[in-house]
Amino acid sequence: DTAVSQTPKYLVTQMGNDKSIKCEQNLGHDTMYWYKQDSKKFLKIMFSYNNKELIINETVPNRFSPKSPDKAHLNLHINSLELGDSAVYFCASSRRWASGPNTGELFFGEGSRLTVL
Amino acid sequence: AQTVTQSQPEMSVQEAETVTLSCTYDTSESDYYLFWYKQPPSRQMILVIRQEAYKQQNATENRFSVNFQKAAKSFSLKISDSQLGDAAMYFCAYTWDNAGNMLTFGGGTRLMVKP
Repeated sequence: DTAVSQTPKYLVTQMGNDKSIKCEQNLGHDTMYWYKQDSKKFLKIMFSYNNKELIINETVPNRFSPKSPDKAHLNLHINSLELGDSAVYFCASSRRWASGPNTGELFFGEGSRLTVL
Repeated sequence: AQTVTQSQPEMSVQEAETVTLSCTYDTSESDYYLFWYKQPPSRQMILVIRQEAYKQQNATENRFSVNFQKAAKSFSLKISDSQLGDAAMYFCAYTWDNAGNMLTFGGGTRLMVKP
């Protein structure tokens, strides 16, 4: 069974469209994340979310919004897509929010490659 | 702001040999955590090794070990007995207490393994 799964794996769309990427984890983790990997492979945190708190990276445009129907899912909605949004988007989850022996151990999905034309 | 720097965009190693990947970071925190993640061509990010800053002993995981120099803010990864399956992008990453597990990544090092 895939621990963190994302759909779709590939998405090609036109500028100006609205799209969503879904993420589900079956690890029973409390916290989920979205990361963006650009064409130069640079990885950057976009959001961190548990059932109590959403932390948004201040550099993320408000066209991006995470939506969590329950703690096993964290979907990413993107409005008015732009060329610069083309990237691989990774969902991840972790066991706990606070520091401790498991701090920082993220489990990643396989990524969703978004291409905006 | 915390930053993580990997100065080697690409590295190459002969199969069965040893290679060291460099990572430096900048932080004003005293308690933090450092990681190496591997990204093979399949794209999925896989944790290789982690180090707690309060531990002086360097972490090891089988063929993978780190050289953690806290004063120098250096965290290098040594891969011994390199295997073809080690070929991947390697990312150094950092997080700190109260950061909510959000990782700051370096720019990555592409490791090629020659048979």
